[in-house]
Amino acid sequence: DVKVTQSSRYLVKRTGEKVFLECVQDMDHENMFWYRQDPGLGLRLIYFSYDVKMKEKGDIPEGYSVSREKKERFSLILESASTNQTSMYLCASSSTGPEAFFGQGTRLTVV
Amino acid sequence: AQSVTQLDSQVPVFEEAPVELRCNYSSSVSVYLFWYVQYPNQGLQLLLKYLSGSTLVKGINGFEAEFNKSQTSFHLRKPSVHISDTAEYFCAVSDDDMRFGAGTRLTVKP
Repeated sequence: DVKVTQSSRYLVKRTGEKVFLECVQDMDHENMFWYRQDPGLGLRLIYFSYDVKMKEKGDIPEGYSVSREKKERFSLILESASTNQTSMYLCASSSTGPEAFFGQGTRLTVV
Repeated sequence: AQSVTQLDSQVPVFEEAPVELRCNYSSSVSVYLFWYVQYPNQGLQLLLKYLSGSTLVKGINGFEAEFNKSQTSFHLRKPSVHISDTAEYFCAVSDDDMRFGAGTRLTVKP
């Protein structure tokens, strides 16, 4: 089975902190994605990556950056966390097929 | 870019009743279509997918969906729901990347 692992299920951070959300997949997938999920808005794409050291902006990249130094790992970075970034963050990966596999999610609270 | 509209934000039904969750997409090219389910405090789990071929797609847990190209719809159905089907359901469309609808919260009441 494909496994996508997000490093934390729950995080609480202070406003202004630099926050790293880590995601690792074990199936050698080329594509990786970061979404945020908010009630009534569904999943919105923040960033995605088709290859190592490659990144593309999604619909809501402002306030975020990403890093993909190794194929299996895709990190989401909040340079200076703000309260409006309190959300559920979901990582996903896919290969040549279009189906995406999701991690369990990280619920981030910024206080 | 493609987009997805889920027409109902909440659907309450009684146990053993049939249910339909509606999804429309906008795209002028061939797309792949998906339904995912999310149980509380969980990630998303694939219910079913349409890639090509038969327009009626069967998935896990007794769900099925019908791809209708002329109406750009991909509605999810189940003939008889259980309490355990209570969850949030997301329709998604994919070509270069994957875009999701806002979700439909299905609540099954005893």
